[in-house]
Amino acid sequence: DIQMTQSPSSLSASVGDSVTVTCRASESISRYLNWYQQKPGKAPKLLIFHASSLQSGVPPRFSGSRSGTEFTLTISSLQREDFATYYCQQSYSSPHTFGQGTKLEIK
Amino acid sequence: QVQLQESGPGLVKPSETLSLTCSVSGGSISGDYWSWIRQPPGKGLEWIGYIFSSGSTSYNPSLKSRVTISVDTSENQFSLKLYSVTTADTAVYFCARRNYAAGIDAFDIWGQGTLVTVSS
Repeated sequence: DIQMTQSPSSLSASVGDSVTVTCRASESISRYLNWYQQKPGKAPKLLIFHASSLQSGVPPRFSGSRSGTEFTLTISSLQREDFATYYCQQSYSSPHTFGQGTKLEIK
Repeated sequence: QVQLQESGPGLVKPSETLSLTCSVSGGSISGDYWSWIRQPPGKGLEWIGYIFSSGSTSYNPSLKSRVTISVDTSENQFSLKLYSVTTADTAVYFCARRNYAAGIDAFDIWGQGTLVTVSS
């Protein structure tokens, strides 16, 4: 199985800040990396697919990038509604593994 | 607008079978992949498996011996059976569309999730 390692596991930031979450794959997954946002009691919401493609309807303050097996999610100019847990997920091969999550909290 | 809705018992006894159904509305189940994903309370997401509308399946090896996912295209729904459950199977179970047909290859539509508790 491909392991997805996310860092940090938690993060504190203020409205207006820019933050970065990192996800590292245990082997090459090409660009097949997706990012999700989950709020308490809700289903995850797809933000970015193929490492850097913005899902329809997602604000452009969310962006993704790739460098080899390391992927980053950047949220610029944090809004109050962005405080949530973020997960990465690889769709390169089965099983389609998720990272352990990064909880973004208000400072 | 495609929507998904999970249904099934919220309480299952240990050693019994967990059965859930996901109803697809607003679009056809044909031509795409349909998944089950679970989340134990306070923990992360675990992919259980998926089924293509033709019936081909792929399962997480960690659960493969206990899982069956099936599809009923006439009813526009797909189902999950997890056998011989233990308390470790207590989780919120989500159904989701893996949008491969549009080239996204990600879980773009999710059901609201249903909590299944395994307890005697």
